[in-house]
Amino acid sequence: GDSVTQMEGPVTLSEEAFLTINCTYTATGYPSLFWYVQYPGEGLQLLLKATKADDKGSNKGFEATYRKETTSFHLEKGSVQVSDSAVYFCALWGAAGNKLTFGGGTRVLVKP
Amino acid sequence: DSGVTQTPKHLITATGQRVTLRCSPRSGDLSVYWYQQSLDQGLQFLIQYYNGEERAKGNILERFSAQQFPDLHSELNLSSLELGDSALYFCASRVRSNNEQFFGPGTRLTVL
Repeated sequence: GDSVTQMEGPVTLSEEAFLTINCTYTATGYPSLFWYVQYPGEGLQLLLKATKADDKGSNKGFEATYRKETTSFHLEKGSVQVSDSAVYFCALWGAAGNKLTFGGGTRVLVKP
Repeated sequence: DSGVTQTPKHLITATGQRVTLRCSPRSGDLSVYWYQQSLDQGLQFLIQYYNGEERAKGNILERFSAQQFPDLHSELNLSSLELGDSALYFCASRVRSNNEQFFGPGTRLTVL
């Protein structure tokens, strides 16, 4: 079945540091890939998405590129802020088309 | 604000009891998905409804059931509650055209 693996946290960074969260997936066919963010005490918000190979999703300074050859969708941000402290989830919508499959989540803490 | 509403926000109950969680999807969305977020299992898909009909089932226990009503709101019923059922329960509705899911703020269930 489909699965998503992402790096375990917590990831602790200083403000303005570079952030990378690794995400790899296993799926049949050509899934759509997503990053969701969960701020403390809130629900999940869609951060960005990519629907086909080599697509780059971007939003709020975050970027991720759909790499089919490495089955990866790593999240990056060049300069993080304290307000980026949250849990980030990588997810895929598989060929079966009936649900999102999530990774375990990566907690990011940005210190001033 | 995602447009998906969930009530109640918090629920505290005892083992063996039954509770009902409610979700209203975004206006115009026909699909409702239920997810459970727990510390040990992460985010897991429970069940999907589309326009009143069950469409897909995930890791949903037999003690749990759901339904979607003609006005498209959905209810998740959890019975014979156990300590391990303590979790955040999210519902989401889907944009049909592009598989994006919008999540509600969640219901935090605590079973004592």
